[in-house]
Amino acid sequence: AQSVAQPEDQVNVAEGNPLTVKCTYSVSGNPYLFWYVQYPNRGLQFLLKYITGDNLVKGSYGFEAEFNKSQTSFHLKKPSALVSDSALYFCAVRDNTGGFKTIFGAGTRLFVKA
Amino acid sequence: GAVVSQHPSRVICKSGTSVKIECRSLDFQATTMFWYRQFPKQSLMLMATSNEGSKATYEQGVEKDKFLINHASLTLSTLTVTSAHPEDSSFYICSARLQGDTQYFGPGTRLTVL
Repeated sequence: AQSVAQPEDQVNVAEGNPLTVKCTYSVSGNPYLFWYVQYPNRGLQFLLKYITGDNLVKGSYGFEAEFNKSQTSFHLKKPSALVSDSALYFCAVRDNTGGFKTIFGAGTRLFVKA
Repeated sequence: GAVVSQHPSRVICKSGTSVKIECRSLDFQATTMFWYRQFPKQSLMLMATSNEGSKATYEQGVEKDKFLINHASLTLSTLTVTSAHPEDSSFYICSARLQGDTQYFGPGTRLTVL
């Protein structure tokens, strides 16, 4: 079965410091991986995805994610955090058993302090 | 970018009444739309996959007679919560698939059943 794990409920970083939000996955076949961000009382916004190609994927708002097949990880990173990055971040994997069903991780809340 | 809207954004209703939530893709045609439910501080749980012109596919444990989904056109899917009860109170989010694997999410609808 496909699954996604986000081991951290919350990540705290100071503004200007690099941030990492962790994600590991379990899929059969090639993984289709995504990161989304959610602001309070809002829907999800797409940040980036990995389908194939370069392991380092660049996305919106300066975020990037590194696909690591051996570690089955897809950590989200940003070199310099902003207070406005504070939000809830979801890692997701497409269910390869059929259709386009997406399975979401539990989410990680990011707090960036000024 | 692709825009998905939801209406209403917030609804309060009495127990036993029915509530309809609309999900529209504003600038593209979506053959597939998804309905999710999100509890406070939790991840998104897929309720059903809605395909234009055919019956929705419900996830295990989701009552199809309670959560009626209609995808009458390529730009509109509706979710009707029938005979709502307080335990149905939640944040309902729809998404639409444009092409490939990327989903575009609506802003969500907060349902409160008194």
